[in-house]
Amino acid sequence: DGGITQSPKYLFRKEGQNVTLSCEQNLNHDAMYWYRQDPGQGLRLIYYSQIVNDFQKGDIAEGYSVSREKKESFPLTVTSAQKNPTAFYLCASSIALPTSTDTQYFGPGTRLTVL
Amino acid sequence: GENVEQHPSTLSVQEGDSAVIKCTYSDSASNYFPWYKQELGKRPQLIIDIRSNVGEKKDQRIAVTLNKTAKHFSLHITETQPEDSAVYFCAVGGNDMRFGAGTRLTVKP
Repeated sequence: DGGITQSPKYLFRKEGQNVTLSCEQNLNHDAMYWYRQDPGQGLRLIYYSQIVNDFQKGDIAEGYSVSREKKESFPLTVTSAQKNPTAFYLCASSIALPTSTDTQYFGPGTRLTVL
Repeated sequence: GENVEQHPSTLSVQEGDSAVIKCTYSDSASNYFPWYKQELGKRPQLIIDIRSNVGEKKDQRIAVTLNKTAKHFSLHITETQPEDSAVYFCAVGGNDMRFGAGTRLTVKP
């Protein structure tokens, strides 16, 4: 777990602003993921990446964007188009895709609040 | 896509009792079934997992059982302790990874 870090821990955003959440891992994992967690709910997949310079939309990608320029890093941008961004955001990584049968390890999360 | 249902959504037990959480899934091709524990405000942590070639796996007070025919698997926690109080998530891996909605377990001292 200590090999995946997210920053910041808490983030406050004004309406209309874009914000970027950081996710870094030193586990040499190929695959990285972003999930959104709302109170009392499970994890919903936003985006995932199997390899550098490649990423795919998950179930709730609208209003979000990502990049994967380095193997270790997978930042998530929450754009002003995301209508209800207040949530707990979790980054995860695993050894490899294509099949999702590798254990995913999670970062500590970023709690985003829109003011 | 895969549909994962987790029950119950909340579970309260007395310290020392057992707790059982069940998940069902729809895709018979799924072959990886992890369980995560998440304490309030913290990251989900893997506590146990099982693959489709095994029917049961134990790790001290925690066990997972898998019924591939019926497409369900369960988490069993014996001799529960207050520190077991958390939200537990099941997940199902195959073509993708899908998570259950979670079970809030409360262990009363």
